[in-house]
Amino acid sequence: DGGITQSPKYLFRKEGQNVTLSCEQNLNHDAMYWYRQDPGQGLRLIYYSQIVNDFQKGDIAEGYSVSREKKESFPLTVTSAQKNPTAFYLCASSSWGQGNTEAFFGQGTRLTVV
Amino acid sequence: SQQGEEDPQALSIQEGENATMNCSYKTSINNLQWYRQNSGRGLVHLILIRSNEREKHSGRLRVTLDTSKKSSSLLITASRAADTASYFCATDGLDSSYKLIFGSGTRLLVRP
Repeated sequence: DGGITQSPKYLFRKEGQNVTLSCEQNLNHDAMYWYRQDPGQGLRLIYYSQIVNDFQKGDIAEGYSVSREKKESFPLTVTSAQKNPTAFYLCASSSWGQGNTEAFFGQGTRLTVV
Repeated sequence: SQQGEEDPQALSIQEGENATMNCSYKTSINNLQWYRQNSGRGLVHLILIRSNEREKHSGRLRVTLDTSKKSSSLLITASRAADTASYFCATDGLDSSYKLIFGSGTRLLVRP
């Protein structure tokens, strides 16, 4: 089945540790995105990538890093510099072709700092 | 900063009633989209309206777009308990291709 997969579903991190969230898509989409969602809030854009080996900062990039070495993969690293990382993280992809910007979302990773 | 802001933040209605939620945005856009999110899950795309369109329908959904007021509305007719979810608008700006920005969302509760 085609889709976008995030793993793990739940992740626990000790303070001071870096952790990496996985996002893989087999939809052949060029664009990929990472969003953060806090309880009862909307989605805030962390990073986005239009094409392999290229990515841009979103509105809340501080304390996060990404890579886009393959079209299918867009992992997000939450670094120790992120002071309040506990949140729900959502990955999305989009074909962005012919004005069709519909985004497909993974099921999310819930990160908790312990 | 978030591009879109939804209103109301929360809405509670009886099954069978219509639900209307609004979205305002700040900059010129290419498209505006509406998404639905069930609690603790990813978002699901509902409908896209282009900047040169004024109204669009999909099943029980009706979306309007007023670019002069930088606002959109989503109407769900004959609501069902299964429509209970959060609804978000999303925009991609003319000057920021690929950058998809979401609003703060409306939490809809449909009481059986």
